[in-house]
Amino acid sequence: NAGVTQTPKFRVLKTGQSMTLLCAQDMNHEYMYWYRQDPGMGLRLIHYSVGEGTTAKGEVPDGYNVSRLKKQNFLLGLESAAPSQTSVYFCASSVQGFDNEQFFGPGTRLTVL
Amino acid sequence: DQQVKQNSPSLSVQEGRISILNCDYTNSMFDYFLWYKKYPAEGPTFLISISSIKDKNEDGRFTVFLNKSAKHLSLHIVPSQPGDSAVYFCAARTSGTYKYIFGTGTRLKVLA
Repeated sequence: NAGVTQTPKFRVLKTGQSMTLLCAQDMNHEYMYWYRQDPGMGLRLIHYSVGEGTTAKGEVPDGYNVSRLKKQNFLLGLESAAPSQTSVYFCASSVQGFDNEQFFGPGTRLTVL
Repeated sequence: DQQVKQNSPSLSVQEGRISILNCDYTNSMFDYFLWYKKYPAEGPTFLISISSIKDKNEDGRFTVFLNKSAKHLSLHIVPSQPGDSAVYFCAARTSGTYKYIFGTGTRLKVLA
């Protein structure tokens, strides 16, 4: 039982490049989330999903897209990376809604030059 | 505007003593609060929660206190252990919304 895993762990991009961050969970959780964490700030919700095939915008969705084609996977895409997207990205999942404990992955450190 | 504030970026405590981590919020509509613990290079892990209908919730060495009139939340760790050294985040949300607002975190160091 791996819990929540994230791929890759580190990545360096040049401005304008695209990439996809993969989140996988093996707990059969319905809800999945993408957060970013920046120095001096708390975690901020980018996008979330309440079930397979659904996605919704969070607090800071601009510049990101997501897809939840399979229940166990939640992908975060950057179509044209910008230096402002340099951050640590965390994926999380929970059984149901936001009152339930969220289980977090180890994070992806992304640097955009 | 930071709705959830953790004004102490760091705290050092001797092993065996009490650690008190504080969190203040400005939105009186917040009704559910969480504490998460984060070790370096790992994701946050859930620690304890409290609903606004309570003023205290206890789980082993961890107790969370809620003072709604003061809009203040605190996490007490008794006794503190070196393994408790981590960054602690508080988070809050309003009933019926999806979004948790996280504080900036407090780094706790428990000295052996």
